[in-house]
Amino acid sequence: GQQLNQSPQSMFIQEGEDVSMNCTSSSIFNTWLWYKQDPGEGPVLLIALYKAGELTSNGRLTAQFGITRKDSFLNISASIPSDVGIYFCAGLSYGQNFVFGPGTRLSVLP
Amino acid sequence: NAGVTQTPKFQVLKTGQSMTLQCAQDMNHEYMSWYRQDPGMGLRLIHYSVGAGITDQGEVPNGYNVSRSTTEDFPLRLLSAAPSQTSVYFCASSRRTAVGNTIYFGEGSWLTVV
Repeated sequence: GQQLNQSPQSMFIQEGEDVSMNCTSSSIFNTWLWYKQDPGEGPVLLIALYKAGELTSNGRLTAQFGITRKDSFLNISASIPSDVGIYFCAGLSYGQNFVFGPGTRLSVLP
Repeated sequence: NAGVTQTPKFQVLKTGQSMTLQCAQDMNHEYMSWYRQDPGMGLRLIHYSVGAGITDQGEVPNGYNVSRSTTEDFPLRLLSAAPSQTSVYFCASSRRTAVGNTIYFGEGSWLTVV
């Protein structure tokens, strides 16, 4: 089945640094969603994007719906220890089910 | 999480046993689905339902069964557990907003088949 590509797979950053990650697909999507998953928990929705070029923020998080509709980006500014976790994207095309990326594992070093 | 409740949280099964993972949502969502999550892979769709009385297969349906008798409940049944079904299972429900869909997940069920 169709899956999304996410990069990087994992990253180690210092507290206070900014983080960028992206999600790409060979297909066009009408919706992009970004989630964070903590160990032993379910994914929690961070940001939803519904329009090509859309830029949406949620606190220190900012996500963008790529112009080509085949990619999306998530940025975290001034990282803190509680940002640790797995971030993954989901894409949706009309008439289809959601597809998910494998995730980016973020570690924040104090 | 936004109103999706899964039970049990953890379960160990012997090969060949059957069991049911329960899922309930209180958001009046029409769309419900089950996913499995395995290391290094994205969530994979097992079965889904677009409303009471309607179910359909996802990407990896073999060995699983579902039913949707009410809007709120969407149980997942493992018919004869196999070690390959060791995974983390997530139930999800979806609403359609004015501009698009948003999907919400339960907290997960960790299943080990020995």
